[in-house]
Amino acid sequence: DSGVTQTPKHLITATGQRVTLRCSPRSGDLSVYWYQQSLDQGLQFLIQYYNGEERAKGNILERFSAQQFPDLHSELNLSSLELGDSALYFCASSRATGSENEQYFGPGTRLTVT
Amino acid sequence: AQKVTQAQTEISVVEKEDVTLDCVYETRDTTYYLFWYKQPPSGELVFLIRRNSFDEQNEISGRYSWNFQKSTSSFNFTITASQVVDSAVYFCALSEDPMNRDDKIIFGKGTRLHILP
Repeated sequence: DSGVTQTPKHLITATGQRVTLRCSPRSGDLSVYWYQQSLDQGLQFLIQYYNGEERAKGNILERFSAQQFPDLHSELNLSSLELGDSALYFCASSRATGSENEQYFGPGTRLTVT
Repeated sequence: AQKVTQAQTEISVVEKEDVTLDCVYETRDTTYYLFWYKQPPSGELVFLIRRNSFDEQNEISGRYSWNFQKSTSSFNFTITASQVVDSAVYFCALSEDPMNRDDKIIFGKGTRLHILP
């Protein structure tokens, strides 16, 4: 158990809908990362937040957005969902920024868009 | 540009055989970290190892061992006396620049390992 929690574990929704994925980092971790694992793109970085502020952006679609709240939990919002958004979404957390800080991965949220 | 290549898409071996998973990386940074993760059928990412670019010592942990060679930009992973429970997808990954740029992890495409009883 990494100490990172993600809810829900599974999510099934229809095209065009909007969903919110939630992540609670490990106690004391200030940095949260979102990754997407899809069949065609593999595991790729989406976005990082550090202490409430966006820090880095990867290949995140404009239909996707995220935020980190004062209690440090983070939400990833996916809107106008398409079939291709079906994927496993991982959240990771680390103590601070910088790659010397180890990232701990949550169990993931499996999103199925029908 | 940073990149991680796992040329072996899928490998099948018989239980108790040794198996090596290859990983080649590209980076322009002199300071970076290399990782291996295991993803069993249940889907979670299990952290196996992290290596600093300045530490080229090989590492052994039980049946697992890692060979880091900067000269060939490789970070290979060997499982000795494989077991059925080792069946999973294994990802090699890279993280650059411990200073002020983004510290995202770049993953390879993964190698699916089947251990046959």
